[in-house]
Amino acid sequence: KAGVTQTPRYLIKTRGQQVTLSCSPISGHRSVSWYQQTPGQGLQFLFEYFSETQRNKGNFPGRFSGRQFSNSRSEMNVSTLELGDSALYLCASSLVRDRGTDTQYFGPGTRLTVL
Amino acid sequence: QKEVEQDPGPLSVPEGAIVSLNCTYSNSAFQYFMWYRQYSRKGPELLMYTYSSGNKEDGRFTAQVDKSSKYISLFIRDSQPSDSATYLCAMRGGNTGFQKLVFGTGTRLLVSP
Repeated sequence: KAGVTQTPRYLIKTRGQQVTLSCSPISGHRSVSWYQQTPGQGLQFLFEYFSETQRNKGNFPGRFSGRQFSNSRSEMNVSTLELGDSALYLCASSLVRDRGTDTQYFGPGTRLTVL
Repeated sequence: QKEVEQDPGPLSVPEGAIVSLNCTYSNSAFQYFMWYRQYSRKGPELLMYTYSSGNKEDGRFTAQVDKSSKYISLFIRDSQPSDSATYLCAMRGGNTGFQKLVFGTGTRLLVSP
């Protein structure tokens, strides 16, 4: 079974631009979560989608948004990029949100560099 | 204060050593505890998953959870150079709703041949 895939793997943007990242979960997985990973802050939760609805959101500004499609694929968008948005963006999928027992499987990430 | 604290390391050990990695946390609602391993330029991969207090063993890896002390550990026996990676602890709360996964910042482990 194929794992979580993320595209693109690397991106270079300039301040003020916007970017869209894509995540395809493991087949059959309905929940997709997004994380930002930086050396100083570690892995920080952005948001989670289940059945095309945002179910949970982290403490990030409104410039960070996402959506999920009917096939469970997800995209996240960052508008008006800032230098501090440079990070590894990770997507994780899980089978079912049920009593916390489902486990998350991570993709390889998208490395975003903002110049 | 962060919800989950983890020493960033690096932790350097010789091949064959027993490695102990630890995390402390402040939220008593956490019930599910995980350890992930992350190699450079890769996404985290799940190593161990435990529920509530107790021990769980899988090959060379043992995870321990002490909820009374809010302390979790991962032990690696007979460490190998291929174990060199960053180890992240993660945890989440209870049985209802959509509980986000909270990560430690990771401990970098270096196992020398």
